[in-house]
Amino acid sequence: GAVVSQHPSRVICKSGTSVKIECRSLDFQATTMFWYRQFPKQSLMLMATSNEGSKATYEQGVEKDKFLINHASLTLSTLTVTSAHPEDSSFYICSARVRDQETQYFGPGTRLLVL
Amino acid sequence: AQTVTQSQPEMSVQEAETVTLSCTYDTSENNYYLFWYKQPPSRQMILVIRQEAYKQQNATENRFSVNFQKAAKSFSLKISDSQLGDTAMYFCAFWGSTGTYKYIFGTGTRLKVLA
Repeated sequence: GAVVSQHPSRVICKSGTSVKIECRSLDFQATTMFWYRQFPKQSLMLMATSNEGSKATYEQGVEKDKFLINHASLTLSTLTVTSAHPEDSSFYICSARVRDQETQYFGPGTRLLVL
Repeated sequence: AQTVTQSQPEMSVQEAETVTLSCTYDTSENNYYLFWYKQPPSRQMILVIRQEAYKQQNATENRFSVNFQKAAKSFSLKISDSQLGDTAMYFCAFWGSTGTYKYIFGTGTRLKVLA
């Protein structure tokens, strides 16, 4: 149980285009989902927290107009990188938790390369 | 603010030997959870073990066990009978019950198991 999927697993796009990454909880309802960014050989950096049906809470320094997060249902959250630039190239990971539980379950990540 | 410190950037251990990864944290909360996650080369974050702060008994999961010292704010991970598949980045994480449901991650320890 507690499986989280992400799609796509990797994406290459041209500079200036937008990219959408999906995060799904497959066998549980996720009241809260988290989006992280990870640079090579570094720890996970939290970008934003999203609760189902409400606006995401962004961490300091994260541009909310660039990284659009939608958590429309209890099993799906999406991260859209708008007008992507090469510096947005990174590994993006989502995680999900159930209400009143502390454990986060992570997706397999999405590798984004912006040319 | 809570902090998590992993002071060992890299470690290595011979196959079948035992290794201990250290983690210290700082918090003023009394009720919290601590986690160890493993991130193998696939970059999928895998929950290794978790510890509830109000439980004095150290958590164990097969070859993985923790030494939780609440007064010292220390949470080390012991891997017994190390296997090649244990080669990964290991992250220590803190979750406070009165916070915003987000994890505080350490910087990680890269563990290499040698044949």
